[in-house]
Amino acid sequence: EAGVTQFPSHSVIEKGQTVTLRCDPISGHDNLYWYRRVMGKEIKFLLHFVKESKQDESGMPNNRFLAERTGGTYSTLKVQPAELEDSGVYFCASSFTRLAGGYNEQFFGPGTRLTVL
Amino acid sequence: ILNVEQSPQSLHVQEGDSTNFTCSFPSSNFYALHWYRWETAKSPEALFVMTLNGDEKKKGRISATLNTKEGYSYLYIKGSQPEDSATYLCAPIQGAQKLVFGQGTRLTINP
Repeated sequence: EAGVTQFPSHSVIEKGQTVTLRCDPISGHDNLYWYRRVMGKEIKFLLHFVKESKQDESGMPNNRFLAERTGGTYSTLKVQPAELEDSGVYFCASSFTRLAGGYNEQFFGPGTRLTVL
Repeated sequence: ILNVEQSPQSLHVQEGDSTNFTCSFPSSNFYALHWYRWETAKSPEALFVMTLNGDEKKKGRISATLNTKEGYSYLYIKGSQPEDSATYLCAPIQGAQKLVFGQGTRLTINP
């Protein structure tokens, strides 16, 4: 079974440009999450989709970040315009919904390393 | 917002030695805790999901314990091997789904 995949693996852009990151979750997983790790800091939650709906977007830094999950399959995270502080590794994770009240183990992709110059 | 502390931040261990490190978290409203093993440029790999106070889990040479009353979890590696070199991440759950990560313990095994 294929794991969570992310594209691209690396992206280097200039400040002010736009970048779109893509995540393909494990087939059948209705939960999709985005996390980010800024250099030297801990991995931080950005947002959580259940199918195509945003369940929790409390971790999104500001309105330069836009996440979508049309059709409830893959997701994109767009940064526009990118700033220097957006540099970091962006992780995607997915899980399927177990029985109500159960914990849904999250499986991670390898991340996209974004460098803003 | 949970405050998750992992110690030490980095650790160098001789091959064959055993080691352990700690994850501390607020004990109130505990739901579950994840341990992940992460090598740079690879996907964080789930080692354990722990939910009950007193839980002990084992996977090969790696084991973990959980104390939800005092808010800590230990990860143990017995007979360290070079392939154990990685960053070990602890992540309790906040709310129903949100993982809150510590900064990790970066482990290096010296041959």
